[in-house]
Amino acid sequence: GQQVMQIPQYQHVQEGEDFTTYCNSSTTLSNIQWYKQRPGGHPVFLIQLVKSGEVKKQKRLTFQFGEAKKNSSLHITATQTTDVGTYFCAGPISGNQFYFGTGTSLTVIP
Amino acid sequence: EAEVAQSPRYKITEKSQAVAFWCDPISGHATLYWYRQILGQGPELLVQFQDESVVDDSQLPKDRFSAERLKGVDSTLKIQPAELGDSAMYLCASRPTGGLGYTFGSGTRLTVV
Repeated sequence: GQQVMQIPQYQHVQEGEDFTTYCNSSTTLSNIQWYKQRPGGHPVFLIQLVKSGEVKKQKRLTFQFGEAKKNSSLHITATQTTDVGTYFCAGPISGNQFYFGTGTSLTVIP
Repeated sequence: EAEVAQSPRYKITEKSQAVAFWCDPISGHATLYWYRQILGQGPELLVQFQDESVVDDSQLPKDRFSAERLKGVDSTLKIQPAELGDSAMYLCASRPTGGLGYTFGSGTRLTVV
């Protein structure tokens, strides 16, 4: 079963609004990765976080790794229609095998 | 930009038939993964290869699924016999040794009827 959970499962926002998805693991993670999957597409790697409390930014996207390394978040400021897709976190639950979260599907209403 | 090649892009098969998917990872990527993604869910790991060796196939339904990477380059995933519940997207991904994120192929969308 899924050991990496994400909330919310779905999010509809008006273009220009902010968006946040949260990722929670049942175990401590050595690192966490984030991927974006456009509708009909395949997952594309966005970033990896390694350090406790780490924060990284990519333009309007801010990624954070929790102090306990069991949770993470992705925040998008001022969403655009190009942000539409499903955002997955993924972490090494067993050895080096990455297990993907349940995903958050983002819809941006123009 | 280097890509992970997968074929076919789409496959429709009748239940109880055999089906095979092919993946050619990015050149030099020693680690290759097969994932299955059911619509609306996250990818689930089926098997991981390091070069030609299977590192993890604990989630692979071995009674009907098999995977090989004979020369440590391209890989084939086979299902025999296919069942209705196997309908999903089958994604191949590769990663260089010590690299960060996975590079996924475009996947094979399997429909079992």
